[in-house]
Amino acid sequence: GAVVSQHPSRVICKSGTSVKIECRSLDFQATTMFWYRQFPKQSLMLMATSNEGSKATYEQGVEKDKFLINHASLTLSTLTVTSAHPEDSSFYICSARGEDSGNEKLFFGSGTQLSVL
Amino acid sequence: QKEVEQNSGPLSVPEGAIASLNCTYSDRGSQSFFWYRQYSGKSPELIMSIYSNGDKEDGRFTAQLNKASQYVSLLIRDSQPSDSATYLCAVNSGGGADGLTFGKGTHLIIQP
Repeated sequence: GAVVSQHPSRVICKSGTSVKIECRSLDFQATTMFWYRQFPKQSLMLMATSNEGSKATYEQGVEKDKFLINHASLTLSTLTVTSAHPEDSSFYICSARGEDSGNEKLFFGSGTQLSVL
Repeated sequence: QKEVEQNSGPLSVPEGAIASLNCTYSDRGSQSFFWYRQYSGKSPELIMSIYSNGDKEDGRFTAQLNKASQYVSLLIRDSQPSDSATYLCAVNSGGGADGLTFGKGTHLIIQP
């Protein structure tokens, strides 16, 4: 089956630093990638949708200047948490979908646990 | 605001019994419905998808959809301890470009 690789799996950083999370589709071209955030015992909350070569679409309440998303190629999207603060500590998950694929062919990365001290 | 509601549980079921998980959604225009299984600290894994009213069976899993009642359920027959996980209901309103709206999940515990 298709594989989405997400790195790093875990990161601990100091408050005020920036953290970059990578999401790669290894064996298919991901025209659309989604970034989710999940707090403990909470649901996955969609943060933004990115399409290759265009600006990401952010969900209401998500600061686009704080959560920078780049989808420069069909196999790579990155999420950068800028000036991270403890309240940004969460589990971040990407998912990717190929061209003309429905949500049944939505593949998730393994997630990144971010802890901001 | 699109909402997907699930009872957070925990739902405790004896091994071998049927586990019944329920989900309601607010957007009447929703077209696609999914059940994901998520183990702690891991990413979700697709279990079932359903698009039309009625039942859909796959092995020990049966998804049920009732669009009139805006209700979708997942039945797990012959429950195994390995089925213990959080089950997320997810809904998509169609169009292909939208991300999924997830419920908070139901924590299922299968007691040996």
